[in-house]
Amino acid sequence: GAVVSQHPSWVICKSGTSVKIECRSLDFQATTMFWYRQFPKQSLMLMATSNEGSKATYEQGVEKDKFLINHASLTLSTLTVTSAHPEDSSFYICSATTSGRNEQFFGPGTRLTVL
Amino acid sequence: GIQVEQSPPDLILQEGANSTLRCNFSDSVNNLQWFHQNPWGQLINLFYIPSGTKQNGRLSATTVATERYSLLYISSSQTTDSGVYFCAVGGSSASKIIFGSGTRLSIRP
Repeated sequence: GAVVSQHPSWVICKSGTSVKIECRSLDFQATTMFWYRQFPKQSLMLMATSNEGSKATYEQGVEKDKFLINHASLTLSTLTVTSAHPEDSSFYICSATTSGRNEQFFGPGTRLTVL
Repeated sequence: GIQVEQSPPDLILQEGANSTLRCNFSDSVNNLQWFHQNPWGQLINLFYIPSGTKQNGRLSATTVATERYSLLYISSSQTTDSGVYFCAVGGSSASKIIFGSGTRLSIRP
């Protein structure tokens, strides 16, 4: 149990385009989902927390207009990187947790390369 | 905010050796998780252990919440144990977790 999927697993796009990443909880209802980014040989940095049906809470320094997060259902959250630039190239990872549990379960990640 | 420190940052061992990884944190926690990040980037849940001791096969973990540290033990290391081990903690008032900087483990055959 507690399986989280992400799609796509990797994406290459041109500078200036927008990219959408999906995060799905496959066998549980995810009341809260989290989005992280990870640069090579570094740790995971939390970008935002989203609760189903509510606006996301962004960490300090994360541009909410650039990284659009939608959590419209209990099994799906999306992260859209708008007007992507090469510095947005990174590994993006989502996680999910359910009501009454603290433990987070992570998706396999999406590797974004912006040319 | 809560601070998380992991040690050592790098560890190179021969297959069959035992190892101990440490995670120190700066405040009381209601969540502590250990993860193994494999070479493809997937984070694998090892333990959810805000306090106490747990064992799963060759791996075990102990968290002493009153002293604000947790230890991950790996016995009889195998090459497949290589990767980065992260500790992540959550404070008492929030559901989010903060990651330590990780321990990069390399097991040589």
